[in-house]
Amino acid sequence: RKEVEQDPGPFNVPEGATVAFNCTYSNSASQSFFWYRQDCRKEPKLLMSVYSSGNEDGRFTAQLNRASQYISLLIRDSKLSDSATYLCVVGRNNNDMRFGAGTRLTVKP
Amino acid sequence: GAVVSQHPSRVICKSGTSVKIECRSLDFQATTMFWYRQFPKQSLMLMATSNEGSKATYEQGVEKDKFLINHASLTLSTLTVTSAHPEDSSFYICSAKPGQGRADTQYFGPGTRLTVL
Repeated sequence: RKEVEQDPGPFNVPEGATVAFNCTYSNSASQSFFWYRQDCRKEPKLLMSVYSSGNEDGRFTAQLNRASQYISLLIRDSKLSDSATYLCVVGRNNNDMRFGAGTRLTVKP
Repeated sequence: GAVVSQHPSRVICKSGTSVKIECRSLDFQATTMFWYRQFPKQSLMLMATSNEGSKATYEQGVEKDKFLINHASLTLSTLTVTSAHPEDSSFYICSAKPGQGRADTQYFGPGTRLTVL
């Protein structure tokens, strides 16, 4: 079983739609959680950290459920520029991050 | 924001040759740098963690004699793929972490696309 699992998609949604991605992790000792965005053939860029209390950054909302070992990302009012692969990342400690395979999102006009 | 560069961005080489990839933190000192590999449509896989002035720690299944890592200064780490073969063709990405920063302060380089013929 992979340590971080994501639905690979692809998710094809119209502009303005709301889309949600889920991620599960297997290591209960994981301490930190993130969503990264990766554009085609580029490096990953940090989108947001995920906190137990949930956090929101504009159109993006991330939630963490430690009991279920589950992380989610909600994107509201999708833009064409949101098209990318979204990587769920789980950190065991400050020097050990495990990446999910990513969920591909395409936002269409 | 913090900048990490990689050089070269793309390399094509013949089977059996060695390829060196440089990773530099341009505006901060990175005590820890990480090397990842990403095959098409797959996740980033951590290959090794390097700390300045000490030997790199390799992940299980990564051959340390094949993937030589040197972190000789606080701003430079190099990955040398020795005797490269076509199966080593991949996207190699480094990241750097300043000082005692948290995991989310890792800054990624733009990656190096290696093609071994």
